[in-house]
Amino acid sequence: EAQVTQNPRYLITVTGKKLTVTCSQNMNHEYMSWYRQDPGLGLRQIYYSMNVEVTDKGDVPEGYKVSRKEKRNFPLILESPSPNQTSLYFCASRFGSSYNEQFFGPGTRLTVL
Amino acid sequence: QKEVEQNSGPLSVPEGAIASLNCTYSDRGSQSFFWYRQYSGKSPELIMFIYSNGDKEDGRFTAQLNKASQYVSLLIRDSQPSDSATYLCAVNLFGNEKLTFGTGTRLTIIP
Repeated sequence: EAQVTQNPRYLITVTGKKLTVTCSQNMNHEYMSWYRQDPGLGLRQIYYSMNVEVTDKGDVPEGYKVSRKEKRNFPLILESPSPNQTSLYFCASRFGSSYNEQFFGPGTRLTVL
Repeated sequence: QKEVEQNSGPLSVPEGAIASLNCTYSDRGSQSFFWYRQYSGKSPELIMFIYSNGDKEDGRFTAQLNKASQYVSLLIRDSQPSDSATYLCAVNLFGNEKLTFGTGTRLTIIP
């Protein structure tokens, strides 16, 4: 089954404790993105990757890191999480440059205390 | 001015009626327009995309684009309770990786 998976799905952590949210896709997609969704602000792009070892900042990259060492994986790293990073995070992938076939993962709800 | 604006709703529509969702955007260079549906607690799901001025129909859904007026709309005919969700409008500049979303319109279909 073609899918984008994220882990963990729910996470409660404390300020400053490094964490990684994993994202994996089994569709051989080149493009992958991370978004965060907050009430009243909608979905905002954090980072995106156009292929292995090619990443770039989206609209709200501060406080986040990403890596793309393999085509299928695109982890989101929070080196020192803060309460303002409490949010719902979505990973997404697509095959080509167009967004007309973008698939989202199930989401990760992160709470930073 | 927000880059992509939507009325947050909630928009209530009787079952069987036409639901009309609107979205305006500020960047005249925008070339690709997308409508996503998001059920509560779930991830967004792409339901329509449109690139050219005019209408694009897919089943009960019609996307309408007017680049001169910088708006894109989504019509849902014969609305069903299962259409109750938040609808997100998203806009992309050609050749630009940035996809900008509106804040979404919450639609409720009343049986």
